[in-house]
Amino acid sequence: NAGVTQTPKFRILKIGQSMTLQCAQDMNHNYMYWYRQDPGMGLKLIYYSVGAGITDKGEVPNGYNVSRSTTEDFPLRLELAAPSQTSVYFCASTNAGLANYEQYFGPGTRLTVT
Amino acid sequence: QKEVEQDPGPLSVPEGAIVSLNCTYSNSAFQYFMWYRQYSRKGPELLMYTYSSGNKEDGRFTAQVDKSSKYISLFIRDSQPSDSATYLCAMRTGGSNYKLTFGKGTLLTVNP
Repeated sequence: NAGVTQTPKFRILKIGQSMTLQCAQDMNHNYMYWYRQDPGMGLKLIYYSVGAGITDKGEVPNGYNVSRSTTEDFPLRLELAAPSQTSVYFCASTNAGLANYEQYFGPGTRLTVT
Repeated sequence: QKEVEQDPGPLSVPEGAIVSLNCTYSNSAFQYFMWYRQYSRKGPELLMYTYSSGNKEDGRFTAQVDKSSKYISLFIRDSQPSDSATYLCAMRTGGSNYKLTFGKGTLLTVNP
């Protein structure tokens, strides 16, 4: 299986534009997460979902929206992009049935807002 | 005080050295402690996982948790150039959402 996939890999946005970052997993995981990673700042949780139709805010949700209509997909929507949203975005998933509740990460999307 | 503190380094060591990476935390509700390894321009991957206090060894890697001091460590023995990466500590409470709180990460370079 492919694990966690993210598209696009790179994107440059102009201030005020909108876009959707795609995330999909084929491991039938219930739990999915969106993080952003700024240089030297670790990973900050944006939104998470414990199952289809259920989402909740993380530490830094402002300027973002999510939806979870299926188990597999968890898209992240940026409305009115701002330079402060320049970051690397990672999607992750896990399941309660995993021994270590390990979060599996995608390869990331590098976003620049200018 | 941040929930999880981790010295971002960078840390540069010669091949074969013993490396010690550390995190401190303030939330006494954290029960599960992890170390993730992240190679440049890649997503993090789980390296070590520990529940509550104690030591866990896996090959050249040893994870230690001291809950009384709110301090966790990762030791790498006989470090190799392939160990060059950013190491992120992560921890979570016993809650059912399995949310992780990450440290800032330490950039390690092992020089041949």
